[in-house]
Amino acid sequence: DTGVSQDPRHKITKRGQNVTFRCDPISEHNRLYWYRQTLGQGPEFLTYFQNEAQLEKSRLLSDRFSAERPKGSFSTLEIQRTEQGDSAMYLCASSPTFASGATYEQYFGPGTRLTVT
Amino acid sequence: SQQGEEDPQALSIQEGENATMNCSYKTSINNLQWYRQNSGRGLVHLILIRSNEREKHSGRLRVTLDTSKKSSSLLITASRAADTASYFCATAQTGANNLFFGTGTRLTVIP
Repeated sequence: DTGVSQDPRHKITKRGQNVTFRCDPISEHNRLYWYRQTLGQGPEFLTYFQNEAQLEKSRLLSDRFSAERPKGSFSTLEIQRTEQGDSAMYLCASSPTFASGATYEQYFGPGTRLTVT
Repeated sequence: SQQGEEDPQALSIQEGENATMNCSYKTSINNLQWYRQNSGRGLVHLILIRSNEREKHSGRLRVTLDTSKKSSSLLITASRAADTASYFCATAQTGANNLFFGTGTRLTVIP
C-alpha cells in the first residue's frame, strides 16, 4: 500500500504529558499538511510543509504544538503539556506540487485519534 | 474556523434514491472539492470542480458550482448502503495552500 500512513492510530494520554505523532506521505508528494478534526466538525488546517520547509501555520497551532519534516519525507507533530481540549483526530495529508501553485486533491491518512484524560 | 457550511447536516434516504447535499462558502476560490469520510477514518477525495466550471460528473456523482452564489451541490444518484458516510466540501482559496472544509453532511442510506 503506497498511501499516506499515520502512527499511532490511537493515543490515550494524561493531561500534561507530551505526545508525538508520525506521518509518512506518498513518496513522490512534496506537500504535506496536518489537520485537526473534532467530533461532528470538518478538518481544520494546522500546518503545511513544502519539502522540509514549514511554510504556513494556523493560529490554531499554539506554542505547545510543533511540527517537523526533517528530510522532506516523513513528518512528526508533537504536542507538549497536553490539555483535554487537544482531544481530536489528527489527520495528515499529502499532495504533489503543480506548476500553477494551486491546491488540488489531497490524499489523507487514516488519522491519529488522541484522547487526553 | 470552518470556511464552508453544508446543508443538510444529516440526510437519511432509502437505497436507490438520490441524495443531494449543498455547500456554501465565503471567499474567492480556485476550485472546490468533495470528500467522503467513513466513521472514524481518513478522508477520500471524490471530485474536484474548478472555478471556471459549472458542472462535473464522475460515475454516480454530479457536482455543480455557482461562483456568483458561492455555492456548490453534490448529487449522488442511485444510492447504495455503502454510500453511508459523512461528506465534506473543501475550498481551495485563491492564494492559500491548504483546504478549507465545511461542517459536513452525514448521509445514511437505508438498505
